[in-house]
Amino acid sequence: DGGITQSPKYLFRKEGQNVTLSCEQNLNHDAMYWYRQDPGQGLRLIYYSQIVNDFQKGDIAEGYSVSREKKESFPLTVTSAQKNPTAFYLCASSRTGEYGYTFGSGTRLTVV
Amino acid sequence: EDQVTQSPEALRLQEGESSSLNCSYTVSGLRGLFWYRQDPGKGPEFLFTLYSAGEEKEKERLKATLTKKESFLHITAPKPEDSATYLCAVQAGGFKTIFGAGTRLFVKA
Repeated sequence: DGGITQSPKYLFRKEGQNVTLSCEQNLNHDAMYWYRQDPGQGLRLIYYSQIVNDFQKGDIAEGYSVSREKKESFPLTVTSAQKNPTAFYLCASSRTGEYGYTFGSGTRLTVV
Repeated sequence: EDQVTQSPEALRLQEGESSSLNCSYTVSGLRGLFWYRQDPGKGPEFLFTLYSAGEEKEKERLKATLTKKESFLHITAPKPEDSATYLCAVQAGGFKTIFGAGTRLFVKA
């Protein structure tokens, strides 16, 4: 079955450390997205990509970086510059246009 | 400023007690309105897309409707398994999709 896979499910980061969250899809979707979800808030867009080798900053891109070298993959790196990284991170993909998203199961990142 | 507001924040129902969730929006040039269901600790699951005022979509006990300023998610005779957070999202001009904060629904047997 087609879907979108995020790993790991749980991730712990020490102060000053960079960590990378994985996102892979086999839906043949062109567009991919990274969102951050905090309690009581709507999903906030970090980065999105509409095509391979191209990506755009979302509303809260500071302290994050991404790459899109393959259509299937859109990894997110949370750098040490992100001062409040503890959150639930969601990756999504969609066909280009006015279509709903398919989400992964999320990665919960905690700073220790 | 484009905005999506969902109400109520939380809703507690008895099994079989029908109700509605509201999603009001202020965006320029609506291209699509989306409803998702999210279970605790999981990613949202797509439910419906609505494109124009007057449009309705149904799935089991759920029915979504759209006007020029808001959307409703009607839940008929809910069951405990309908308990979840329901998210509304709007795609406006350009490529941006804006999500509301969600309504947490609790259905008691």
